[in-house]
Amino acid sequence: DGGITQSPKYLFRKEGQNVTLSCEQNLNHDAMYWYRQDPGQGLRLIYYSQIVNDFQKGDIAEGYSVSREKKESFPLTVTSAQKNPTAFYLCASSNSLGDQPQHFGDGTRLSIL
Amino acid sequence: AQSVSQHNHHVILSEAASLELGCNYSYGGTVNLFWYVQYPGQHLQLLLKYFSGDPLVKGIKGFEAEFIKSKFSFNLRKPSVQWSDTAEYFCAVNENNAGNMLTFGGGTRLMVKP
Repeated sequence: DGGITQSPKYLFRKEGQNVTLSCEQNLNHDAMYWYRQDPGQGLRLIYYSQIVNDFQKGDIAEGYSVSREKKESFPLTVTSAQKNPTAFYLCASSNSLGDQPQHFGDGTRLSIL
Repeated sequence: AQSVSQHNHHVILSEAASLELGCNYSYGGTVNLFWYVQYPGQHLQLLLKYFSGDPLVKGIKGFEAEFIKSKFSFNLRKPSVQWSDTAEYFCAVNENNAGNMLTFGGGTRLMVKP
């Protein structure tokens, strides 16, 4: 079955560490997204990529970085510059057309030790 | 910038009660509208979507939503909720000239008491 795989499901980070969240899709989608979900704030866009080797900042990109070297993969690095990284992170993908829904992974919950 | 408002943050209903969750957006141009649902421990799933045509759209599990352009609204409804509808519901809007970018509302957490 096609889908989006996020790993790990739970991740713990020490202060000052960078951590990388994995997102892989086998839906042959061009576009991929990273969102952060906090209680009462819905989903906020961190970064998105419409095509391989290209990505754009979303609304809350500070303290995060991404790469898109392959169509299937869009890893997110939470850097030590992100002051409040504890959150639920969701990866999504879609076709490039605006009327196509986004498909979501199961998420990664990041906590700070 | 586009914004999406879901005014009800928490809703508690008894089974068989009717449901209406509000969603308002700020963009004045052409939009595509979505409702997503997140059941406990599961990933976000598409509930229904509006692109054009009949403003009353029907989704899965008996849900429907009505697009009222003059009110910038896309409220979600269900005539009779079930305990299994307990979930968090998110409204999302895509501006027609913004590729496939979505702006999400803050979500509404629905609890249905058996």
